[in-house]
Amino acid sequence: DQQVKQNSPSLSVQEGRISILNCDYTNSMFDYFLWYKKYPAEGPTFLISISSIKDKNEDGRFTVFLNKSAKHLSLHIVPSQPGDSAVYFCAAPQGAQKLVFGQGTRLTINP
Amino acid sequence: DVKVTQSSRYLVKRTGEKVFLECVQDMDHENMFWYRQDPGLGLRLIYFSYDVKMKEKGDIPEGYSVSREKKERFSLILESASTNQTSMYLCASSFPRDSNEQFFGPGTRLTVL
Repeated sequence: DQQVKQNSPSLSVQEGRISILNCDYTNSMFDYFLWYKKYPAEGPTFLISISSIKDKNEDGRFTVFLNKSAKHLSLHIVPSQPGDSAVYFCAAPQGAQKLVFGQGTRLTINP
Repeated sequence: DVKVTQSSRYLVKRTGEKVFLECVQDMDHENMFWYRQDPGLGLRLIYFSYDVKMKEKGDIPEGYSVSREKKERFSLILESASTNQTSMYLCASSFPRDSNEQFFGPGTRLTVL
């Protein structure tokens, strides 16, 4: 059972526009979420996180929004740049040790 | 700076071979993890370890085993490689805390022929 879901396998956005990546979760016990970015042939790197006590967290061009009632979070990238082309994973902690990851969304920024 | 290294970036093995993937972290993290990444399936946890000599099965442990003899090193073993184990293998480490933020190595692209 997929507890964290990213239903869009891919997204294509023009450079300079906004990229919005979505993530849904089913476990209402999740209270913290992380976004990772992964380039080909590299390991994922941490991008931004949000605690359930907030509904928004911003870091430069990246903002994550959390809608607890809808069990939905989204990552906004504004403005999108070619270097943002990567696979993005959302994740949630499960227990004291593990992370549960979504399937990932491949973002392509077109010049 | 945080560092997780993996012994090989690319590996080609034959069906039936025993394969060892090594991971080393220099952050004194208690937790270490092995994932595989396949298109459309995201990151799936194979095994993890929360202390030396301790291990727990993840979501897809079949066909794999692990070894953690030292805190900084976590090995993934494919006892008899099969073609369906062709994948990207990622090692990660973390401290046990609420955020569970994990730090990943560069990955090993394993091809089993």
